[in-house]
Amino acid sequence: EAGVTQSPTHLIKTRGQQATLRCSPISGHTSVYWYQQALGLGLQFLLWYDEGEERNRGNFPPRFSGRQFPNYSSELNVNALELEDSALYLCASSFGQGVLALHFGNGTRLTVT
Amino acid sequence: SQQGEEDPQALSIQEGENATMNCSYKTSINNLQWYRQNSGRGLVHLILIRSNEREKHSGRLRVTLDTSKKSSSLLITASRAADTASYFCATDDLYNNNDMRFGAGTRLTVKP
Repeated sequence: EAGVTQSPTHLIKTRGQQATLRCSPISGHTSVYWYQQALGLGLQFLLWYDEGEERNRGNFPPRFSGRQFPNYSSELNVNALELEDSALYLCASSFGQGVLALHFGNGTRLTVT
Repeated sequence: SQQGEEDPQALSIQEGENATMNCSYKTSINNLQWYRQNSGRGLVHLILIRSNEREKHSGRLRVTLDTSKKSSSLLITASRAADTASYFCATDDLYNNNDMRFGAGTRLTVKP
């Protein structure tokens, strides 16, 4: 069984640009979570999608957005990049809502210069 | 916002010793989970304890949960150098649509 895959592995952008990060969940998983992890810090909750719908979002500005496709893969878009957006962006999937373990990808390292 | 807080922030022990990490959280939960993260990589699920359970074991891991104190502990017995990693607790907020929130983590270093 393939795990959660994220692309690209690394992404370098300049301030003001847009970044698109992609996530493919484990086959059969319908929930996708996005987290931001700044260097040396904990995980900050960004977005949660389930069955194509946005279920909840964390305390981030609207320039952080995303969507979930019919095949349950997901995309995170960050507009008008700022230096402090530099972080590891982690995607996780689970089968349905809550209760169950999250399976994480290895993340996309976004660097904003 | 984060839900849990791990304590201590960093822990350094010798191989063979036991490591205890604590987690406190703020709201009512369905379950609490512990995850491990090796440097710069994704998190790996270790163990899940439900709100109606008080203790759970998995190999060298022992987790306790005290819902009256809104706290949990993770004990790793007979630690190994390979246990060196960051450990995070995660909770689902019963009143906030069940999404999963993580603490800031405990950085464990096991010296050979």
